[in-house]
Formats: sequence, C-alpha cells, structure tokens
Amino acid sequence: RKEVEQDPGPFNVPEGATVAFNCTYSNSASQSFFWYRQDCRKEPKLLMSVYSSGNEDGRFTAQLNRASQYISLLIRDSKLSDSATYLCVVRGSYIPTFGRGTSLIVHP
Amino acid sequence: NAGVTQTPKFRILKIGQSMTLQCAQDMNHNYMYWYRQDPGMGLKLIYYSVGAGITDKGEVPNGYNVSRSTTEDFPLRLELAAPSQTSVYFCASRARDTSSYEQYFGPGTRLTVT
Repeated sequence: RKEVEQDPGPFNVPEGATVAFNCTYSNSASQSFFWYRQDCRKEPKLLMSVYSSGNEDGRFTAQLNRASQYISLLIRDSKLSDSATYLCVVRGSYIPTFGRGTSLIVHP
Repeated sequence: NAGVTQTPKFRILKIGQSMTLQCAQDMNHNYMYWYRQDPGMGLKLIYYSVGAGITDKGEVPNGYNVSRSTTEDFPLRLELAAPSQTSVYFCASRARDTSSYEQYFGPGTRLTVT
C-alpha cells in the first residue's frame, strides 16, 4: 500500500457543483495533514491544514478520519478558478509525504 | 521578501554532464527540502536539511548531492546526469515553528537530460 493515495481523476464538474476528494494514508503515526493546490506548471501552495475536528475556509471544508486513515476535501459552489491539482500531504516527523494529486476541471 | 528563489528556470543537459540547481530563501527558515516531480506524479523528496550544516537523504537521493553551508542557501548538485533525472525540481522551506508546518515552494527548475 502506498503511503499516501489519491484518485488522480480528473474530476470534471460544472460551475456551482460540489465536489469531494479523499486521500488515504498508511502510517497511523502521521501527525499533520494538509491540502496543497498546484496549478499547471506552477509550484504547490498550501490550501489548508486539516485538523482533527474538521475545518472550513470559505467554500472549502477539510476533514480527518484517523480511525479509517483518510482525509477529505470538499469544495462547494465550484468556480472556474478552482481548476487545479489538489495534493494531499501527510507529515510524520520532519518529512512530509505527498500524494500524486487529484486533478479538478471546472467547466462553464 | 522574495520567498524561495530557484535558478535556473530551465536547463537542458547532455548525458554525463553535471550541474548545480540553486535554491535560496530569505525567510530565515531552518528546514529546506528538494523534491522532484515527474509528469502526473506527486513530489518525491530527494534531500532535506533541518539547519545549516545538517543534511539527510530523502526517498530518492541517488545521483544527487546537497550542501547547506548557510541558512539561506541549499544547492542541489547533479553529477553525471542521466535521462531518468529529467524532471521538475522544486525547492521548499519552512520555519521551525511548529504552530505551522506550511512549506513554501520555489517556482521550480525544469531539467531535461538528453
């Protein structure tokens, strides 16, 4: 089992749709969890951290399920500008491990 | 603040050549990382450093070397370039402060080995 697994997609959704991505991780001792966004041919940028109790930032909601070892990202009211690759990141000690990313395409 | 800067942006190398990818940050971050990203794949850690004078191997260190003589700079050296090293290389840094583990990435270096 890979350390961090994501469905690569692409997820093709219309503007205004709600879309959710999951990410599973294998190391039960993982300490911190994040979602990064990466635009085409650009560097990754932090979208949001994921907290145990779940957290929300505008249209984005992140959740952590430690028992089942997965994190999720929910995007409501999708915008064209949300089109990007979303990378799941899981941190053990010093070293974060990146998933391969899930591609989202929002169309008019 | 310039953040994390990387040079060059693009480079084409012939098999067997060597080069150094430069990375610098002006945020006084202790931790620095080098990743490579192959098409359609996630980032794989090559080397990392927790402070000046301290470096350690990541997941895919073979064919690369690093040094960290200052807090600001973390160059990545490729010796005897091979086609398998064709990739996009990202440098990243983060603060030691554990209230946020956010990594800041440079714009990347696109390397082609032919």
